[in-house]
Amino acid sequence: DTAVSQTPKYLVTQMGNDKSIKCEQNLGHDTMYWYKQDSKKFLKIMFSYNNKELIINETVPNRFSPKSPDKAHLNLHINSLELGDSAVYFCASSQDWRWGYTFGSGTRLTVV
Amino acid sequence: GDSVTQMEGPVTLSEEAFLTINCTYTATGYPSLFWYVQYPGEGLQLLLKATKADDKGSNKGFEATYRKETTSFHLEKGSVQVSDSAVYFCALRNSGNTPLVFGKGTRLSVIA
Repeated sequence: DTAVSQTPKYLVTQMGNDKSIKCEQNLGHDTMYWYKQDSKKFLKIMFSYNNKELIINETVPNRFSPKSPDKAHLNLHINSLELGDSAVYFCASSQDWRWGYTFGSGTRLTVV
Repeated sequence: GDSVTQMEGPVTLSEEAFLTINCTYTATGYPSLFWYVQYPGEGLQLLLKATKADDKGSNKGFEATYRKETTSFHLEKGSVQVSDSAVYFCALRNSGNTPLVFGKGTRLSVIA
């Protein structure tokens, strides 16, 4: 059983399109996250939800909109995609701040 | 805010060499500290953690000790293998809903 699963694994799309990435966790964790990893492997927090409530919203363009229909799911919708959005996006979940996160395997987004 | 600094890579070692990857942090309070590993094309996996001062985390021959006096959490392994080639991330997390904060990652290449 995959603990944190993301779909799709790869996404190639044209500039200006709108796309979504889905994330689901079966660990019963209360908190879920989206991170962006750039080409230099740097990881930056984008959003965090706790029990369906947005608790962290970093300086991310408002073209990015997270949605959490329940505490097991956190989806990421991106409008009007730009070349600079190309990156690997990781979903993660956690229960207790002392124990770190469980990460999904990532979605490689390429905007052409 | 909280931050993590880890040694720049890439690090190239011969098989069976000793590994040290330095990590220092800046944080208020008493954060938990983590090492994550990212193998090529994969997501991040928790390698080890320590939740309080003087704790030693260990896993798969890797270990790191939480040193509050030097604000450090250096990763060590006595004898690396080719299969250890990956990117290693040091991270910290403070209490409450604060997100995991990552260092920039250190790429390790082990050659036979």
